[in-house]
Amino acid sequence: QKEVEQNSGPLSVPEGAIASLNCTYSDQGSQSFFWYRQYSGKSPELIMFIYSNGDKEDGRFTAQLNKASQYVSLLIRDSQPSDSATYLCAVLVAAGNKLTFGGGTRVLVKP
Amino acid sequence: SAVISQKPSRDICQRGTSLTIQCQVDSQVTMMFWYRQQPGQSLTLIATANQGSEATYESGFVIDKFPISRPNLTFSTLTVSNMSPEDSSIYLCSAADRNGNQPQHFGDGTRLSIL
Repeated sequence: QKEVEQNSGPLSVPEGAIASLNCTYSDQGSQSFFWYRQYSGKSPELIMFIYSNGDKEDGRFTAQLNKASQYVSLLIRDSQPSDSATYLCAVLVAAGNKLTFGGGTRVLVKP
Repeated sequence: SAVISQKPSRDICQRGTSLTIQCQVDSQVTMMFWYRQQPGQSLTLIATANQGSEATYESGFVIDKFPISRPNLTFSTLTVSNMSPEDSSIYLCSAADRNGNQPQHFGDGTRLSIL
């Protein structure tokens, strides 16, 4: 079982709709959770991080964390074509302060 | 957040040669890391670069192949040694501002192709 799992997609979303991305993790001791956006040919860019159960909102992005279910999600509201990218979920595992990345979800926002 | 500069941004190398990638951060950071991203794949941690001591390597990565230096709190290098076509990847440096719990930010990466 992979430590951090994401649906590879592509997730096709009409412009203006909500994109919902999911991520599950296996290490119950995981402390911190991050979402990165990666455009083709570019390096990952941090867009959200969340440490506590519940929701965290930043502009059009909302991260949701449920530690009991070992589940973290990212919502993108009012999706724009510029949101088309691969979104990487990353989890800080308890031992060693190391980030483990999921395989990424490719999002396509269609005008 | 810290600004991270990597160079070279890309290179094409002959098999059997070695290449050193530099990573410079514009402020002192506690943690620096090196990742590899193979074509179409996600990021895999190679090692944690420790200031003043040997790097901590992940399973599957060894010092002889990927020697790492970190002489101070703002600079690190990764060398890819005795390269083969399988080493063709993007190599990424990241840094965390205070401790490992803080978000990591990435440099622009080094796109490496081995002929």
